[in-house]
Amino acid sequence: DGGITQSPKYLFRKEGQNVTLSCEQNLNHDAMYWYRQDPGQGLRLIYYSQIVNDFQKGDIAEGYSVSREKKESFPLTVTSAQKNPTAFYLCASHDRDGNEKLFFGSGTQLSVL
Amino acid sequence: GENVEQHPSTLSVQEGDSAVIKCTYSDSASNYFPWYKQELGKRPQLIIDIRSNVGEKKDQRIAVTLNKTAKHFSLHITETQPEDSAVYFCAATVQGGSEKLVFGKGMKLTVNP
Repeated sequence: DGGITQSPKYLFRKEGQNVTLSCEQNLNHDAMYWYRQDPGQGLRLIYYSQIVNDFQKGDIAEGYSVSREKKESFPLTVTSAQKNPTAFYLCASHDRDGNEKLFFGSGTQLSVL
Repeated sequence: GENVEQHPSTLSVQEGDSAVIKCTYSDSASNYFPWYKQELGKRPQLIIDIRSNVGEKKDQRIAVTLNKTAKHFSLHITETQPEDSAVYFCAATVQGGSEKLVFGKGMKLTVNP
């Protein structure tokens, strides 16, 4: 199950606190994504990046921020502006050379204390 | 933007029966339609995909059909087994475009022994 690694597996956030979720891949993939998974809601796109130093907002970007300084890394920060952060967060990546198969990390469960 | 609807949200079948999951999409430019399976506590994994230049694709007990005119696609699982129990997600995107994969809300399949 190598290739794309998320950490930590569980994370707790205090009210008003920013927390950062890590996502690292060694697949040499150009594109990386962050999804939020809530029960019965499917996978909703937060942010995505198709190349280093560039990223775009997804459908639910408010209260989140990202950076893409290295090809291998795409960290997600959940800011205090995100009022309902409790969810399962999935990072994914794919190669842009005609192969759209997404490889997912094992996820981070974020809960609010 | 793209909107993907998936139904039913849950399905329970007896082992050996067939299961069908249906999805509709809104963006007529979408040309790539993958299906992901997520077992309990695990990451989603691609099980089959179809591109808009074909109407049907089969891989052992699973098959996917696409109707571009009606903008809907379906996953068919035959001879279901208990290990098929999982949440199944359909998705759609425009290849060569934004590469933003939009997922349906998922369907929980339970196969009863």
